[in-house]
Amino acid sequence: GDSVTQMEGPVTLSEEAFLTINCTYTATGYPSLFWYVQYPGEGLQLLLKATKADDKGSNKGFEATYRKETTSFHLEKGSVQVSDSAVYFCALSEGGSEKLVFGKGTKLTVNP
Amino acid sequence: NAGVMQNPRHLVRRRGQEARLRCSPMKGHSHVYWYRQLPEEGLKFMVYLQKENIIDESGMPKERFSAEFPKEGPSILRIQQVVRGDSAAYFCASSPPGPQPEAFFGQGTRLTVV
Repeated sequence: GDSVTQMEGPVTLSEEAFLTINCTYTATGYPSLFWYVQYPGEGLQLLLKATKADDKGSNKGFEATYRKETTSFHLEKGSVQVSDSAVYFCALSEGGSEKLVFGKGTKLTVNP
Repeated sequence: NAGVMQNPRHLVRRRGQEARLRCSPMKGHSHVYWYRQLPEEGLKFMVYLQKENIIDESGMPKERFSAEFPKEGPSILRIQQVVRGDSAAYFCASSPPGPQPEAFFGQGTRLTVV
């Protein structure tokens, strides 16, 4: 079945550091790919998405590019802030399906 | 427009009791999804409902778990005769009808079985 694998956390960075959180997927078709963020005490929020190969999703300085050849959707940000501290989830949905398949989540802590 | 509302936020049940988790979708959203997050795991899909219909329950355990989304009122996830292994965070999401809609998540209900 479909699955998502993302890098183990926790990740601790200093403010203004570069962030990469790796995400790879396994799917039988052509999934849509997502990054969700969960701030402490809150529900998941959609951060960005890409629906086809080579699409780049971006939001709030975060970016991720849908790479079909490497089945990856790595999350990057050039300069993180303390307010980016949260848990980040990579997810996919398969061909029109409504349901999401999630990775385990990566906890990011950014120190001043 | 209020977000997806889940209650209670925290629920403690003794083994063998019933747990009822409620989810009120965002206004205008007719699709509801339930996910479960076990400790150290990602969210796992449980069930997808539209008003008065279960569309996909492929992630629901075969026994003790049921879900409904009545014409009026919130969606309910019901767990009968809870066991320690049911302890988890349960998240509800809702979306409007249409192709590839964005799902909005609630804050979750953390169920602890003692």
